[in-house]
Amino acid sequence: QKEVEQDPGPLSVPEGAIVSLNCTYSNSAFQYFMWYRQYSRKGPELLMYTYSSGNKEDGRFTAQVDKSSKYISLFIRDSQPSDSATYLCAMSYNNAGNMLTFGGGTRLMVKP
Amino acid sequence: GAVVSQHPSWVICKSGTSVKIECRSLDFQATTMFWYRQFPKQSLMLMATSNEGSKATYEQGVEKDKFLINHASLTLSTLTVTSAHPEDSSFYICSVPGQGRGAFFGQGTRLTVV
Repeated sequence: QKEVEQDPGPLSVPEGAIVSLNCTYSNSAFQYFMWYRQYSRKGPELLMYTYSSGNKEDGRFTAQVDKSSKYISLFIRDSQPSDSATYLCAMSYNNAGNMLTFGGGTRLMVKP
Repeated sequence: GAVVSQHPSWVICKSGTSVKIECRSLDFQATTMFWYRQFPKQSLMLMATSNEGSKATYEQGVEKDKFLINHASLTLSTLTVTSAHPEDSSFYICSVPGQGRGAFFGQGTRLTVV
């Protein structure tokens, strides 16, 4: 079993839809949780960074962490075709930016 | 603006030659940087940790003599793929710790060995 599980998709939604992306993990020692967006043939871009359980909102994006269930989510409101990309969750034991464990990524397609 | 600059973004080389990839931290000094490899439709695999002024730390299964890492300054790390072969063709990405904000990644380098 992988440490971090993420549905690879592809997830196809119409423009304007609310998108829900999720990851589950097995190691309760993870404390810091990140979501990255990766366009084809580009490096990952940090979208959200959260510590421990709770919600964090930034524009159209909301990150949710439920440590008791070992489950994290990223919600995208009013999805746009430009949101079409692969979304990677990542987590770590510390906030040093090292020792990141990634999910496999979910490919999202937002159709106009 | 970009936090990490990686160069080149793509390179094609002949089998048996060596290729150098540069990773620069633009916004802050980095005593450590990280090199990842990514195959198509797969996630990132950590190859090694680049340490300023000392030897790199390699992950299990990564050949240190094939993937030479040099971290000569607090803003620059280089990855040299030596005697490249077609199986080394991949997407290589570097990252810099984000000082309490996760990690920031370079644009990636697509290496094709023919």
